[in-house]
Amino acid sequence: DGGITQSPKYLFRKEGQNVTLSCEQNLNHDAMYWYRQDPGQGLRLIYYSQIVNDFQKGDIAEGYSVSREKKESFPLTVTSAQKNPTAFYLCASSISSGVYEQYFGPGTRLTVT
Amino acid sequence: LAKTTQPISMDSYEGQEVNITCSHNNIATNDYITWYQQFPSQGPRFIIQGYKTKVTNEVASLFIPADRKSSTLSLPRVSLSDTAVYYCPFGNTGKLIFGQGTTLQVKP
Repeated sequence: DGGITQSPKYLFRKEGQNVTLSCEQNLNHDAMYWYRQDPGQGLRLIYYSQIVNDFQKGDIAEGYSVSREKKESFPLTVTSAQKNPTAFYLCASSISSGVYEQYFGPGTRLTVT
Repeated sequence: LAKTTQPISMDSYEGQEVNITCSHNNIATNDYITWYQQFPSQGPRFIIQGYKTKVTNEVASLFIPADRKSSTLSLPRVSLSDTAVYYCPFGNTGKLIFGQGTTLQVKP
C-alpha cells in the first residue's frame, strides 16, 4: 500500500529536550510538508521541501528544523527553542509543489511537560 | 496577506444537501482552490479541486464564481459519517494556505 507513515503516534518529552518526528512516504512524491495543528485550529505550515536536499521555511518555522536527504523521508526536529511545542503534527506530500492535492499522514501528537 | 474565511460551524440532517461557502482573500491568478475533510485526530483528506466554474466528482461538487473570490462545496445527501471539519485552502506559491475550517455536524 502506498502512503505516508508518521511515527510515533504519541510522543511525550520533557521541556528542554529536542525531539525528532519521523515522516516517510512511498508515493514517489517530490514535495513534502510539515504542519502544526493546535486544538480547534486550522493547519499552519512549518517547513516544506520541493525536492531532495532543498527546503523552505513556512509560516511558523522558528524552533523547528528539518532535513531532506532522501526523497522518501522528511524528519522534523522540535528543538528546545520552540516555546510551545505541544501540538498535533502532520506530515504531507504531493507529486510536486505546484500540485495542491496533498496526501497526509496520520499525525503525531507531541506533549511536552 | 492571503487567507480563507469560512463559517465556524454548520448543522445538517441526514439526507440533506449541504453547501459550505469559503471566501479566498488575495487568491492569485494561478492558484487552485481545494477542499479537504478532517476527522478528529486524523490527517486531512483531499476532497476536490477547481480553478473556476463547476467541478464534480463522486463525493462532492465545487462551485467557483468568475471572480474566484469565493467557492462553495456541495455535499449531496449527507450521512452521519460526513460529520467532520472541512477546510478550503488555496494554493499559494507551492504552499496550501489553511484557515480554521467549518465543523459540520450531521444529525439523524
